[in-house]
Amino acid sequence: GQQLNQSPQSMFIQEGEDVSMNCTSSSIFNTWLWYKQEPGEGPVLLIALYKAGELTSNGRLTAQFGITRKDSFLNISASIPSDVGIYFCAGRRIQGAQKLVFGQGTRLTINP
Amino acid sequence: DADVTQTPRNRITKTGKRIMLECSQTKGHDRMYWYRQDPGLGLRLIYYSFDVKDINKGEISDGYSVSRQAQAKFSLSLESAIPNQTALYFCATSTGSADTQYFGPGTRLTVL
Repeated sequence: GQQLNQSPQSMFIQEGEDVSMNCTSSSIFNTWLWYKQEPGEGPVLLIALYKAGELTSNGRLTAQFGITRKDSFLNISASIPSDVGIYFCAGRRIQGAQKLVFGQGTRLTINP
Repeated sequence: DADVTQTPRNRITKTGKRIMLECSQTKGHDRMYWYRQDPGLGLRLIYYSFDVKDINKGEISDGYSVSRQAQAKFSLSLESAIPNQTALYFCATSTGSADTQYFGPGTRLTVL
């Protein structure tokens, strides 16, 4: 079953605010990915992380691969209306088949 | 043109009917996946294929079957649809490893 816990499940913020969300696991992962899904579309990859402690940015987005290999964080700075959507974390476990496990998603709503 | 396409985009059917969802890709990827998305549950893997004629069960394969007759096509079938199979279905592709998956736009299936 699902082994990634993503929080918060939803966020309602004002435009310009910073956003933080995280994903935790009971198992060790060797890859963490962050996706964004907009209405009517499939998820699109934002950031990929491959090494414990790694910190990677993509514009206003920054993600980190936790030192324990059991968590990851995504931050969005100075949010804008087009940041609205559902953000998913995904991971690949060291043991097991070569497939991804997804978190439940964080739905981000921005008030202008 | 989109790299990963899904047909149909929307489908309403009745309990007991056989349904097939199609996925096509022009990315030249060898690996293809079918996911199901339900509110609050994120994406769950149904089946995946690493090459033509290669089929592997995912997390929730019961009630579903797949066919990979060509590298570019991966179809998902519901032999006898039931209401709790109402969901958003996504196809995805990747190459090499499963780290970066590219998703189609999704098929919204409603089973009455």
